[in-house]
Amino acid sequence: EAQVTQNPRYLITVTGKKLTVTCSQNMNHEYMSWYRQDPGLGLRQIYYSMNVEVTDKGDVPEGYKVSRKEKRNFPLILESPSPNQTSLYFCASSRLPRNEQFFGPGTRLTVL
Amino acid sequence: AQSVSQHNHHVILSEAASLELGCNYSYGGTVNLFWYVQYPGQHLQLLLKYFSGDPLVKGIKGFEAEFIKSKFSFNLRKPSVQWSDTAEYFCAVRDDKLIFGTGTRLQVFP
Repeated sequence: EAQVTQNPRYLITVTGKKLTVTCSQNMNHEYMSWYRQDPGLGLRQIYYSMNVEVTDKGDVPEGYKVSRKEKRNFPLILESPSPNQTSLYFCASSRLPRNEQFFGPGTRLTVL
Repeated sequence: AQSVSQHNHHVILSEAASLELGCNYSYGGTVNLFWYVQYPGQHLQLLLKYFSGDPLVKGIKGFEAEFIKSKFSFNLRKPSVQWSDTAEYFCAVRDDKLIFGTGTRLQVFP
């Protein structure tokens, strides 16, 4: 089954404790992206990747890092999480940037 | 930079009522337009998309949208909503990247 998976689905952590949210897709898509969803703000892009070893900032990259060492994986790294990063995070992938994006199930992160 | 406006933040309807959700984007050129739906507790799923051709686009579950270039609009419609349509709906425009509107929460009561 074609899908985008994210782990963990739920995470509660404390300020400053480094964490990684994994994202993996099995559709051989070149393009992958991370979004955060906040009430009243819709989805905002954090980082995206056009292909392996090619990443770029989205609209709200501050406080986040990503890497794309393999085509299927695109982890999101919070080196020192802060409470304002409490949000719902979605990973997405598509064959090309202009195509329909397939979304993962989401990761609800709470930073205390 | 491109932006997307969804004018209706919260819509409440009874079953069988007709639905129209507004979506406007800020400037023209070649854009790809999408409507995504997010059912409670779930991830976003594509309802329909417009790349080119017939400006009236049919999507899943009886939804359709009309691209009106002169108005920079891509409104979503459904003639008769069901309780199961309760969800949040996002319009999105792809320019050099995918830009989402803030979403419209639709509640349908039996």
